[in-house]
Amino acid sequence: GAGVSQSPSNKVTEKGKDVELRCDPISGHTALYWYRQRLGQGLEFLIYFQGNSAPDKSGLPSDRFSAERTGESVSTLTIQRTQQEDSAVYLCASSAQVGAGTGELFFGEGSRLTVL
Amino acid sequence: AQTVTQSQPEMSVQEAETVTLSCTYDTSESDYYLFWYKQPPSRQMILVIRQEAYKQQNATENRFSVNFQKAAKSFSLKISDSQLGDAAMYFCAYRSRNSGYALNFGKGTSLLVTP
Repeated sequence: GAGVSQSPSNKVTEKGKDVELRCDPISGHTALYWYRQRLGQGLEFLIYFQGNSAPDKSGLPSDRFSAERTGESVSTLTIQRTQQEDSAVYLCASSAQVGAGTGELFFGEGSRLTVL
Repeated sequence: AQTVTQSQPEMSVQEAETVTLSCTYDTSESDYYLFWYKQPPSRQMILVIRQEAYKQQNATENRFSVNFQKAAKSFSLKISDSQLGDAAMYFCAYRSRNSGYALNFGKGTSLLVTP
């Protein structure tokens, strides 16, 4: 597609439930990133995928958070046993191969997660 | 890890006036990118302007320009002839070219534009 696409746009869930958030990057972009943005806050790095390399998971806040990406396509961020503090907007971004292009990250519109 | 600091949580400017948003960063690297992103209420992060550290010339994009002071590790954004549509959160971000490729963001500055 023309831009980074994320779904769902909004998700309301009950505490303790699992949720999956999806990101479809720009075609041809080898790098994919997940960020979390709590209300009124900056962006918190969660995880980074680059091609077929092992992902950089250094930003994941707990073992309830995981993400997968198959090749250079869609990524899924999974949050298990959701807690109220997981409520946030989850932003996905993609970029061209490291060392190529302008270094710019292109963002989706985010998935707003509300945990009741 | 590189840190990015935006010391102004909120700024206000009158339409048609000029405003400068501050950003400082901490790094031991010499080769990196710096960005300003805009986030309107729609949540979409939009790139405003970028600067490559090896370039001495300050980047400009129409009404947006930066003052890049590499030695001082400062990267301020100047918005000239402010428009109502400029109202948004503005985030300064750092990206290494050599190690750890995620963007590190500041906490943001909320810009209000008054008529």
